[in-house]
Amino acid sequence: AQSVTQPDIHITVSEGASLELRCNYSYGATPYLFWYVQSPGQGLQLLLKYFSGDTLVQGIKGFEAEFKRSQSSFNLRKPSVHWSDAAEYFCAVGAALSFQKLVFGTGTRLLVSP
Amino acid sequence: EAGVAQSPRYKIIEKRQSVAFWCNPISGHATLYWYQQILGQGPKLLIQFQNNGVVDDSQLPKDRFSAERLKGVDSTLKIQPAKLEDSAVYLCASSQRGDKYFGPGTRLTVT
Repeated sequence: AQSVTQPDIHITVSEGASLELRCNYSYGATPYLFWYVQSPGQGLQLLLKYFSGDTLVQGIKGFEAEFKRSQSSFNLRKPSVHWSDAAEYFCAVGAALSFQKLVFGTGTRLLVSP
Repeated sequence: EAGVAQSPRYKIIEKRQSVAFWCNPISGHATLYWYQQILGQGPKLLIQFQNNGVVDDSQLPKDRFSAERLKGVDSTLKIQPAKLEDSAVYLCASSQRGDKYFGPGTRLTVT
């Protein structure tokens, strides 16, 4: 069975600084990987996903993530954080044949300081 | 395009009472999901429908939780009787070709 670890519960970043949120997954085959963002009182919104091909994927709102098979990681990055990026971020993994059945990590809450 | 609608947004009940949540997916989306998100945790899939049939309900506590999707559109999730540990946000999502769209959720507090 697949699993996801997001080691950072909270991260504080200054506005304009770069951001990297960590995600490590466990799955025996090629995983389907996702990053979602959840703002207070909102549902989850898909930022980006990786199925195959180029290991650097671009998403919405200026986010990108890189799939590194050797490290079982799918870290989320943004070069310059905006105050509106403050939210909770979830990494999720799906199996190849049932990628719609996602297993989510516990989330990382991003705080943006002025 | 209208998003996934859920109601109510908030609900407070006492333990052993029953409660029901409603979800209206995006028009045309055949697949509907219910997730449970306990505070401090990621969402956990409770049940997945394809049209009006159940695809996966392996993590649904069937002794107290039930869900239906009559006519393959709207869905209701019911808890009867509720326990304190059911306090969570219940998220509904729908999809058509892979990408999931989530509703705002219903925050349930069981006292």
